[in-house]
Amino acid sequence: QVQLVESGGGVVRPGRSLRLSCAASGFIFTSYGMHWVRQAPGKGLEWVAVTLYDGTTKYFADSVKGRFTISRDNSKNMLYLQMNSLRADDTAVYYCAKDRTPCGGDCYDAFDVWGQGTVVTVSS
Amino acid sequence: DMQMTQSPSTLSASVGDRVTITCRASQSISNWLAWYQQKPGKAPKLLIYKASTLESGVPSRFSGSGSGTEFTLTISSLQPDDFATYYCQQYNTYSRTFGQGTKVDIK
Repeated sequence: QVQLVESGGGVVRPGRSLRLSCAASGFIFTSYGMHWVRQAPGKGLEWVAVTLYDGTTKYFADSVKGRFTISRDNSKNMLYLQMNSLRADDTAVYYCAKDRTPCGGDCYDAFDVWGQGTVVTVSS
Repeated sequence: DMQMTQSPSTLSASVGDRVTITCRASQSISNWLAWYQQKPGKAPKLLIYKASTLESGVPSRFSGSGSGTEFTLTISSLQPDDFATYYCQQYNTYSRTFGQGTKVDIK
């Protein structure tokens, strides 16, 4: 079945870095745009970043631009989020999610599959 | 920047009630709108995409409507499993903005 499994969360001090991973299975990973979405404790959903099917086009939310990088390894069906210069307000559950339909270009779509989330806590 | 505004923020209802949630976009998004349901401690679940198309497996008591800047999610007869938080999301731009959420709780 289609599945996304995140890992790499933890407790980190402000200013430090962390890399999240998302393992994909059950679908043709190379055909889909992939996203990171986060949810701070008790708050709503915030879209973070997207990488298109081939990893060459990436977009970021203003709140993370210049600090976070999204990447993918299509040979391993893996999605990554490199988070640098972490701040307390980056504390959240981080979800990876896939676009609903395959796309070989710059397409916009809803998210039909989500991972279970990984918790990132930024605290001194 | 695109803004998505949901109303109400909280809605108290009883089993069997008809429930309507509104989502407004700060600029036209055609029908590029999705609705998600989220329960505590769980990932969001896609209910509706393209404003009114029901995702496979979602009960028919859920429906969506609207285009341009104003959209609604309707639950025709609220069931115990429907008490949750609902989010709208635009996907007209690369930045997939979510609404702030509407919590549906038990009256």
